Amino acid sequence: AQSVTQPDIHITVSEGASLELRCNYSYGATPYLFWYVQSPGQGLQLLLKYFSGDTLVQGIKGFEAEFKRSQSSFNLRKPSVHWSDAAEYFCAVGPTFSGGYNKLIFGAGTRLAVHP
Amino acid sequence: DVKVTQSSRYLVKRTGEKVFLECVQDMDHENMFWYRQDPGLGLRLIYFSYDVKMKEKGDIPEGYSVSREKKERFSLILESASTNQTSMYLCASSGESGHMNTEAFFGQGTRLTVV
Repeated sequence: AQSVTQPDIHITVSEGASLELRCNYSYGATPYLFWYVQSPGQGLQLLLKYFSGDTLVQGIKGFEAEFKRSQSSFNLRKPSVHWSDAAEYFCAVGPTFSGGYNKLIFGAGTRLAVHP
Repeated sequence: DVKVTQSSRYLVKRTGEKVFLECVQDMDHENMFWYRQDPGLGLRLIYFSYDVKMKEKGDIPEGYSVSREKKERFSLILESASTNQTSMYLCASSGESGHMNTEAFFGQGTRLTVV
């Protein structure tokens, strides 16, 4: 069955430090992969997505992610974290089919705290 | 900009009440989704719709129903609200089902408390 695992529930980093959020997936074919961010009290905003081609994907707000097929991973990185990056981050994989219609599976999320 | 609008940010309802959560999108998207979000569980799909008047059960449909009478509007209905339905509810939309690389666009969420 398709699934997404985000091993870290909470991560705390200092402002200016580098960041890596982990995402592992289980999927029977080449997946489409997404990272979303949710600021407090808000909906989800797409950070970046991978469909094919270059395995290093650039997104908004200075984030990037690397697709590693051999490790079934799609980790999110940022070289220097800003206080405004404090939020919850969700990895998602798709499509999963139900009657032929595509939908995404989400991980449980990683909550990022940033120390000044 | 794509906009997915949920009618309420916060709702407080009593046990046993019938509750309607409304969602409207302005991008002419075929697919619309209702998720609930709970700490440690991520997003769980309740129902989705791929066309007007069409719906599919997601992973946790029990206690919920949906309505899609117009393409832009997707309603989630709690027939008889219970305290275990206290949660954040997120609506999303995405493009044509045949285009598997389309991402989902989310509303701001409705935080429902059932007392």
